[in-house]
Amino acid sequence: AQSVAQPEDQVNVAEGNPLTVKCTYSVSGNPYLFWYVQYPNRGLQFLLKYITGDNLVKGSYGFEAEFNKSQTSFHLKKPSALVSDSALYFCAVFYYGNNRLAFGKGNQVVVIP
Amino acid sequence: NAGVTQTPKFRVLKTGQSMTLLCAQDMNHEYMYWYRQDPGMGLRLIHYSVGEGTTAKGEVPDGYNVSRLKKQNFLLGLESAAPSQTSVYFCASSTGQGNTEAFFGQGTRLTVV
Repeated sequence: AQSVAQPEDQVNVAEGNPLTVKCTYSVSGNPYLFWYVQYPNRGLQFLLKYITGDNLVKGSYGFEAEFNKSQTSFHLKKPSALVSDSALYFCAVFYYGNNRLAFGKGNQVVVIP
Repeated sequence: NAGVTQTPKFRVLKTGQSMTLLCAQDMNHEYMYWYRQDPGMGLRLIHYSVGEGTTAKGEVPDGYNVSRLKKQNFLLGLESAAPSQTSVYFCASSTGQGNTEAFFGQGTRLTVV
């Protein structure tokens, strides 16, 4: 069965510092991987995805993520965090075996001014 | 440009009452999903549909039923609400090719007392 793990509950980072949010996955075959962001009282918004090709993918708002097949990871990164990046971040994996889009439990990111 | 619209946005139910949550999308998407979001649990898949007239169970289907009579609508029903169903419910849709992102509604906050 597919699964997504986001090991940290909360990530605190000072404004201007690099931001990393971790994600590991477990799925047979080739995964389609996604990152979403949720602001308070809102639905989820798409940030970026890995389908195939270059392991480093770039997305919205200056975010990027690196796909590492040997470590089954898909960590989200931003070189310089902004206070406005404070939100809940979700990693997700789509598996064709059951047509499901499964999410991790989410990471609260707090950017400290 | 409506995207994914959920109705209602808020609801309070008494234990044992029934209700239906409506999700409508105007993007001609094949796949539709219902998730519930609970603190510390992330998004858990309740039911999903890969096309008009089809439905399938997700991770936590007990106590819920769904119908997809029209391609643009995906209904989530609670026949006899329980306090454990207090949650925020999100609907999402996607093209179904797996390599495209899902679009989310704004959520329905349901409280069962």
